[in-house]
Amino acid sequence: GAGVSQTPSNKVTEKGKYVELRCDPISGHTALYWYRQSLGQGPEFLIYFQGTGAADDSGLPNDRFFAVRPEGSVSTLKIQRTERGDSAVYLCASSLKWDIGDEQYFGPGTRLTVT
Amino acid sequence: GQQVMQIPQYQHVQEGEDFTTYCNSSTTLSNIQWYKQRPGGHPVFLIQLVKSGEVKKQKRLTFQFGEAKKNSSLHITATQTTDVGTYFCAGDSWGKLQFGAGTQVVVTP
Repeated sequence: GAGVSQTPSNKVTEKGKYVELRCDPISGHTALYWYRQSLGQGPEFLIYFQGTGAADDSGLPNDRFFAVRPEGSVSTLKIQRTERGDSAVYLCASSLKWDIGDEQYFGPGTRLTVT
Repeated sequence: GQQVMQIPQYQHVQEGEDFTTYCNSSTTLSNIQWYKQRPGGHPVFLIQLVKSGEVKKQKRLTFQFGEAKKNSSLHITATQTTDVGTYFCAGDSWGKLQFGAGTQVVVTP
């Protein structure tokens, strides 16, 4: 079946602009996660959803970052007033349910470049 | 907060040799997961360890969880060029994964 998909695959934006990154999880997966990965680093947790609600948003770096999952499937990560430091690969992952030890399936990521 | 450290950061291996990469957490983990990321790719789940002292094998890969559930290791025998990539351990904190910085493996034919 289809895996996790993310769009766009690449996004170049100017400093100060607003961007939206989209994630389509695997069908039937109730848990959805957003990570950010900088070069040479491991993925850094941002936020995760169980169903429609944000179960833990403690990883969002500041209030410029926001994510939604209105119908419990597709999720959008929104970044306002982008800064050059926001440049990274944004990874989305999903798992069948939210539980300790549940395998997470990652999407290909969106490479965000802020100029 | 929880921190996960991995060593070494880089591992250059001759094809056919064995190597081990290590993962250490500052806190006791409920479980630990290992992922592999090929160059230009995304992390792919390899395995999870739950029990203290647990050892699991996948062909040439052997994963171990420490008795105190604060460290883990991945040992690869007879390294092949297909083993190239970055191996991440991730501590599981109620579904939220805390990744280490990874061990980047380069294999020389």
